[in-house]
This record gives sequence, structure tokens and C-alpha cells, in this order.
Amino acid sequence: SQTIHQWPATLVQPVGSPLSLECTVEGTSNPNLYWYRQAAGRGLQLLFYSVGIGQISSEVPQNLSASRPQDRQFILSSKKLLLSDSGFYLCAWSLRSYNEQFFGPGTRLTVL
Amino acid sequence: EDQVTQSPEALRLQEGESSSLNCSYTVSGLRGLFWYRQDPGKGPEFLFTLYSAGEEKEKERLKATLTKKESFLHITAPKPEDSATYLCAVTSGGYNKLIFGAGTRLAVHP
Repeated sequence: SQTIHQWPATLVQPVGSPLSLECTVEGTSNPNLYWYRQAAGRGLQLLFYSVGIGQISSEVPQNLSASRPQDRQFILSSKKLLLSDSGFYLCAWSLRSYNEQFFGPGTRLTVL
Repeated sequence: EDQVTQSPEALRLQEGESSSLNCSYTVSGLRGLFWYRQDPGKGPEFLFTLYSAGEEKEKERLKATLTKKESFLHITAPKPEDSATYLCAVTSGGYNKLIFGAGTRLAVHP
């Protein structure tokens, strides 16, 4: 069976500090991978998606970036965090672009 | 523009009181409609995929149905453990990503 991991689970960072969130998937090959942000009490906002190693599509212009160095690894980064980057970050995978997505446990990021 | 609207925003039920959640959508060529359950502080949990009008799927006390313009999530005799936010999402022919609604927060009281 497939499993998706995210870490860390929670993170408190000062404004202007760097960020690195990691997501890995087990039990499948060549998945589509996605990064979402969920603000408190609001819907899911797609940030990035990837259909293969090194292939990243950005949905929203911002100070975040994503990378996919390995088939089942997806990383979300920032060089300098803003207060507005606070939120709940979710990683997800799917077999194909039109299939259901399966989500990880999420990372709660607080920028102070 | 593709859009998903869920109603009501919040719903309070007594244990055993059946009800339905609504998801209406406007997309150009529906490829799939998805229902998720999300508990506070956790990632969404996949429930159902529906592909065509008239399709129905069931899981325990939940039943999802689909028409050409909307989907319903029927909850029969709910229990307190059914309390969660229920999310609806769609994919369309012109957009290879999920478009999510804002969700319905369900609270079931004993």
C-alpha cells in the first residue's frame, strides 16, 4: 500500500528565515506530486505540482519554490519567510492528473 | 471559469438526524468529482470518486451521488465521530488539477 510522509509536523520560524519542508511517498512509482497551503478556516490553495523528476509547475507567484530531486521526493522551500507564509502545508500524490489525490498529514508553519 | 461551491458552510445535527451536504460545480467537461473528509489539524482523507451523472457510491453512513450540475453527500443516522469538514473537488477536461470547494463543517452532537 502507498504511504505519504511529511516533516516536520510543526514549525515556528522567524520572519526572514529560510524554509525547507519535505514530502516523500512510498509504494508507488512516478506519482504526480502536489503542494497545497490551507489558511485557517479556508480552502486548499494549490501552490506547485510535478509530473516527474525536475518538472515543477507553479500556480501562484510568491516567495516559495519547489523541487523534485527524486521520483518520490518533493521539497517546498523559501529563502526568506514572510508573515503571510504562515499556514497548514499539505503534500499530496496521485497516479494521474485526473485521478483522486491522497494527502499527507501536513505541516503547521507559524512565521513570527 | 471553473468553480466549486459547497453548502451549507456549517451544519449542526443531532445524533441520528440524517441530512445532506451539497456541492455544485461549473466546469468545462467534468472528468471526476471527489469527496474528502478533513479532521482538525490533519490532511484530507479521500472518501469517494464519481465520474458520471447518475453514479452513486456508499461507505458506511455516507452516500455520494452525482448529477450534471451538483453532487450530494448524504449522511444517514450520523454519529458524533462523523463530525469533520467535508471537502468537494473536481477535475475538468481543460484543467488537470483538482479545484476544491471551501468545505462544509459538520458537527454531530449526542
